[in-house]
Amino acid sequence: AQRVTQPEKLLSVFKGAPVELKCNYSYSGSPELFWYVQYSRQRLQLLLRHISRESIKGFTADLNKGETSFHLKKPFAQEEDSAMYYCALLIGGADGLTFGKGTHLIIQP
Amino acid sequence: NAGVTQTPKFRVLKTGQSMTLLCAQDMNHEYMYWYRQDPGMGLRLIHYSVGEGTTAKGEVPDGYNVSRLKKQNFLLGLESAAPSQTSVYFCASRRGLAGHEQYFGPGTRLTVT
Repeated sequence: AQRVTQPEKLLSVFKGAPVELKCNYSYSGSPELFWYVQYSRQRLQLLLRHISRESIKGFTADLNKGETSFHLKKPFAQEEDSAMYYCALLIGGADGLTFGKGTHLIIQP
Repeated sequence: NAGVTQTPKFRVLKTGQSMTLLCAQDMNHEYMYWYRQDPGMGLRLIHYSVGEGTTAKGEVPDGYNVSRLKKQNFLLGLESAAPSQTSVYFCASRRGLAGHEQYFGPGTRLTVT
């Protein structure tokens, strides 16, 4: 079965510092990868998906099939980036997303 | 468009009670999903539906039932609530398959005492 691993439960960095949230996946086929963000007590919102290769709110993520990773990066963290971040995988068909356990990102002033 | 809405927002149940959570979407999406979110566990899929009148089991279906009598609504039922079902429940929908984003509802916070 497919699996998504986010090794950091909590990541704390200072404002202006670079941020990297790690995501690794296990699946033998070609999945779609996503990053979702959840601000305090709000619904999940799509941040990025690998097929669009776009940058949202300064975040980027590159799918590395050799390392089965989809790390989320931002060069200069801002306080409003503080949130829960979930990496998710979709293997196709009508199945739902498989989520990692999430990383709580805290940006300190 | 309201997007994906969920009712109720909060609920407290006693063990053994039953309740139904309602998810509604006004985007004419075919696919709908119910997830539960627990601390340290991320989101896990409970049940999903690929269209009106269809349902399928997800990763953690035990203790829940679902129905999709109308395309816009997806109901999640707890017949006999247990403390282990204390969670935040999120509904999601999406238009189609590959490349289509899942849109999430605001969540229902359920506590079972």
